[in-house]
Amino acid sequence: EIVLTQSPGTLSLSPGEGATLSCRASQSVSSIYLAWYQQKPGQAPRLLIYGASSRATGIPDRFSGSGSGTDFTLTISRLEPEDFAVYYCQQYGSSPPRYTFGQGTKLEIK
Amino acid sequence: EVQLLESGGGLLQPGESLRLSCAASGFTFSSSAMNWVRQAPGKGLEWVSFISGSDGSTYYADSVKGRFTISRDNSKKTLYLQMNSLRAEDTAVYYCAKATPAKMDVWGQGTTVTVSS
Repeated sequence: EIVLTQSPGTLSLSPGEGATLSCRASQSVSSIYLAWYQQKPGQAPRLLIYGASSRATGIPDRFSGSGSGTDFTLTISRLEPEDFAVYYCQQYGSSPPRYTFGQGTKLEIK
Repeated sequence: EVQLLESGGGLLQPGESLRLSCAASGFTFSSSAMNWVRQAPGKGLEWVSFISGSDGSTYYADSVKGRFTISRDNSKKTLYLQMNSLRAEDTAVYYCAKATPAKMDVWGQGTTVTVSS
């Protein structure tokens, strides 16, 4: 079973700064099946990035994803106040079919 | 508008059963795979179950296998999760989500299940 480990657990930054969030897999993951989600308190998760680097519909271009193999990154280039939230990476494995989430990174206002 | 709306959550005692529903609109439900994902209070996201849109194949997380059953009624555009033998650790917000292997691109607002004696 693949385990996704996100770092850091909490990231304290100011609006306007850039953020780099990491997601490391315990074994190689197909980039096609790596996604990132944003969740704000009391809300459902929202898809940000799929296929490791493709932005979902309506997602601003300050959000970008990269990586391959076991190391993936979500980058937010210029933090807006609405970007402070919890971010999860997620992968899909096919044998057997299952979805795995990382434990999340909380992005908080400094 | 593409939308998912969960219902059926509640407060139950350990060992009881509950069925959650997820009503879909705005997309072709019958051909869409669907997931249930849950989130315990103050915790992260946990995938629970998957049902395909093509042949109805189902898959479960080990934590719910044998106790939970996912199903769908395409004529009603509704997804279900039958939860039996509930435990305190099943306490969570349960979300339904439209799924592909690459992504979960539409999520409902969630329904809360509390299991407590």
